[in-house]
Amino acid sequence: QQQVKQSPQSLIVQKGGISIINCAYENTAFDYFPWYQQFPGKGPALLIAIRPDVSEKKEGRFTISFNKSAKQFSLHIMDSQPGDSATYFCAARNQGGKLIFGQGTELSVKP
Amino acid sequence: EAQVTQNPRYLITVTGKKLTVTCSQNMNHEYMSWYRQDPGLGLRQIYYSMNVEVTDKGDVPEGYKVSRKEKRNFPLILESPSPNQTSLYFCASSLMGQRAFFGQGTRLTVV
Repeated sequence: QQQVKQSPQSLIVQKGGISIINCAYENTAFDYFPWYQQFPGKGPALLIAIRPDVSEKKEGRFTISFNKSAKQFSLHIMDSQPGDSATYFCAARNQGGKLIFGQGTELSVKP
Repeated sequence: EAQVTQNPRYLITVTGKKLTVTCSQNMNHEYMSWYRQDPGLGLRQIYYSMNVEVTDKGDVPEGYKVSRKEKRNFPLILESPSPNQTSLYFCASSLMGQRAFFGQGTRLTVV
């Protein structure tokens, strides 16, 4: 069964700190690994994504680290801000185009 | 403005009363899907459609129906809702192999 496991379920970080969310996948040929950000009352929106031939991708304060051999990838938010407080979902897309989501991480950045 | 529009945003209904949640996108996307979001379970795919008149089951299709008669519309039908279908529902659309755009969500309560 295709699965993506995400941790932690919730995370509290002080303003200016680093937020780290981890995901692991198993047993399939995924070709695309996006992260979605969801604010309360809104739908998820694409934040950043990576393909498996790249080990790291950085966009501003957001970085994805990808370890193909370990089947793990993580989101790092540098200099975390209260405006980053949201729920974050990792996902993996299979070759049929289906997105499989992790369980979500509720991030709270304290001022 | 490119968007995915769901209606209604909030719905309270009684067990067994048929309901439809509408979804419309204005981006000419072939791929559309429905998800339900539950705490600790992330986003789970209910049904998806790769084009007009082409629909298929996702991970949790029991109790739901969909149709895709036009490219822009992908309604979700609950023929006989039950309390375990109380959830937050999202419609999403994308071009094949491209980023997914999500609607604002429909919070459904079945009593």
